[in-house]
Amino acid sequence: NAGVTQTPKFRILKIGQSMTLQCTQDMNHNYMYWYRQDPGMGLKLIYYSVGAGITDKGEVPNGYNVSRSTTEDFPLRLELAAPSQTSVYFCASTPLAGNEQFFGPGTRLTVL
Amino acid sequence: AQKITQTQPGMFVQEKEAVTLDCTYDTSDPSYGLFWYKQPSSGEMIFLIYQGSYDQQNATEGRYSLNFQKARKSANLVISASQLGDSAMYFCAMREVQGGAGNMLTFGGGTRLMVKP
Repeated sequence: NAGVTQTPKFRILKIGQSMTLQCTQDMNHNYMYWYRQDPGMGLKLIYYSVGAGITDKGEVPNGYNVSRSTTEDFPLRLELAAPSQTSVYFCASTPLAGNEQFFGPGTRLTVL
Repeated sequence: AQKITQTQPGMFVQEKEAVTLDCTYDTSDPSYGLFWYKQPSSGEMIFLIYQGSYDQQNATEGRYSLNFQKARKSANLVISASQLGDSAMYFCAMREVQGGAGNMLTFGGGTRLMVKP
């Protein structure tokens, strides 16, 4: 199993550009999450999904959108990128009955 | 109010000594879970240990143990026999079963541990 994979690893955007961060898990997990981690800080939840077709906002959803058309994929969309969205983005997944949350390697995004 | 508080921004420990990283939490949910993750300089999040609110015994995983004091709402991580490779950021996190939908985690601000040779 590859676990949770994220692409790209790094990206630089200009203000106002848009992009999609990809996240895929091959563990058949029901729950998937997007977090952001600002420098020197803990992780904050952006969006989460409890299964295909179901998504909901987390603590910091503004400026982002998500979709969950399949169990495996949970892309995060940034529209009109702003410098405040410069951060490291982590995707994670958890099985329906389980404790550990499995994290992807992260995407480092810089908006200039 | 902060749900997870880590009061030690940075700590030093001598190699081979034990170290305790503090974590206090705030919840009214009777059923919750507490986690510790390690984040080395390479950036990945590595799961270390889990403690459920109804677990009677403190969790242990190799050199890691969790000192769970439910009445004080604390879940300190103890690392025994520190190694140079333990130098990293450490995050405490909580999952609330009732209040936190979808098994989401709430993270503390982290503690940077530096192991001295």
